[in-house]
Amino acid sequence: DAKTTQPPSMDCAEGRAANLPCNHSTISGNEYVYWYRQIHSQGPQYIIHGLKNNETNEMASLIITEDRKSSTLILPHATLRDTAVYYCIVPGAAGNKLTFGGGTRVLVKP
Amino acid sequence: GAGVSQTPSNKVTEKGKYVELRCDPISGHTALYWYRQSLGQGPEFLIYFQGTGAADDSGLPNDRFFAVRPEGSVSTLKIQRTERGDSAVYLCASSASPGGSYEQYFGPGTRLTVT
Repeated sequence: DAKTTQPPSMDCAEGRAANLPCNHSTISGNEYVYWYRQIHSQGPQYIIHGLKNNETNEMASLIITEDRKSSTLILPHATLRDTAVYYCIVPGAAGNKLTFGGGTRVLVKP
Repeated sequence: GAGVSQTPSNKVTEKGKYVELRCDPISGHTALYWYRQSLGQGPEFLIYFQGTGAADDSGLPNDRFFAVRPEGSVSTLKIQRTERGDSAVYLCASSASPGGSYEQYFGPGTRLTVT
């Protein structure tokens, strides 16, 4: 699995956009970027994934740089319920296991 | 629809005892995964089932850990001779893709405490 680097924590104001960065400079050409989040005392929740094009769904947007060495997860209008640990994962091509790093602990403040 | 369910939600056992943790995946999901999460850490992969068979058990820490999925739906994670270091939240996930997928749906976990 390609190694990912995320800031350990960040704060965000309620109602504002939250931009969560992730570096994955060793990513291979056919590896996707996945984002999960884990709210306190719950299991991880799938958010979004992408290969090279920007992606958007009802939860978030994923912006991947042209060289694919980094990406940004955007929560457009953060709410208090978005307080969670956010994991950026680049799984290897073989197998189906997710390798979770330390993630970014996001605190949305009123 | 119903998500992944896990029972029990909490389990306290004494060192040396045997425990079983159950996972009910989303109906129709053929792939099932077990992870373990220690306090303050991200989840760690244990084992992956495709149907009834374990396709990848490389994450099981030792032979005290065993998992089964006899009918391709419900799975049971079994831990023999529990140790205090086994205390963690055990997470189960499932996915719809027949070949497995990184888009996995997790249950709430079972918190195991070994005293």
